[in-house]
Amino acid sequence: AAGVIQSPRHLIKEKRETATLKCYPIPRHDTVYWYQQGPGQDPQFLISFYEKMQSDKGSIPDRFSAQQFSDYHSELNMSSLELGDSALYFCASRPSGTGVEGYTFGSGTRLTVV
Amino acid sequence: TQLLEQSPQFLSIQEGENLTVYCNSSSVFSSLQWYRQEPGEGPVLLVTVVTGGEVKKLKRLTFQFGDARKDSSLHITAAQPGDTGLYLCAGGASNTGKLIFGQGTTLQVKP
Repeated sequence: AAGVIQSPRHLIKEKRETATLKCYPIPRHDTVYWYQQGPGQDPQFLISFYEKMQSDKGSIPDRFSAQQFSDYHSELNMSSLELGDSALYFCASRPSGTGVEGYTFGSGTRLTVV
Repeated sequence: TQLLEQSPQFLSIQEGENLTVYCNSSSVFSSLQWYRQEPGEGPVLLVTVVTGGEVKKLKRLTFQFGDARKDSSLHITAAQPGDTGLYLCAGGASNTGKLIFGQGTTLQVKP
């Protein structure tokens, strides 16, 4: 079965650079979530989209922005990168109306800021 | 603010032993999920519990949702080295479906 695809799997950037992370949800999943997991920490909710509109917002820095496109894939844009942004970034998708039972996570993008 | 407290945070046991991981909150959740995560990979869903008092079994794993839907437990019987990993509980926090995670329990099962 198709899973949530994230790219790239690994990314190394320097401080103050920008990064773009991509997420391709499972077909027919119209809701996408982004989470950030720092070393040794639990995942923290950043932002979510439903039908290309932002549906919820968590602890996402103002330097970050995200959007969902017409094909339901989503991109997380990160600017003015800081060392503290080094983390695993996960995308999850689910079809609307299924509750959290339909949640599926991608394998994540490991961002390292040097 | 809804919080989930997981305990213990670290657990190292011998193969064949039993263990229980707890996930507690002062808030009511409409559902709770348990995930297992391998290093560098995304969380993989083990189970979702939605009804107070619900018990679900997945082979040697038994999951329970508290009557008041504020707490949950994961019990592993006869642990095996393949059970080693990070176990996360997560609660559905709003009608948008975002998840609030516990701090996680790192389990090491020694052969």
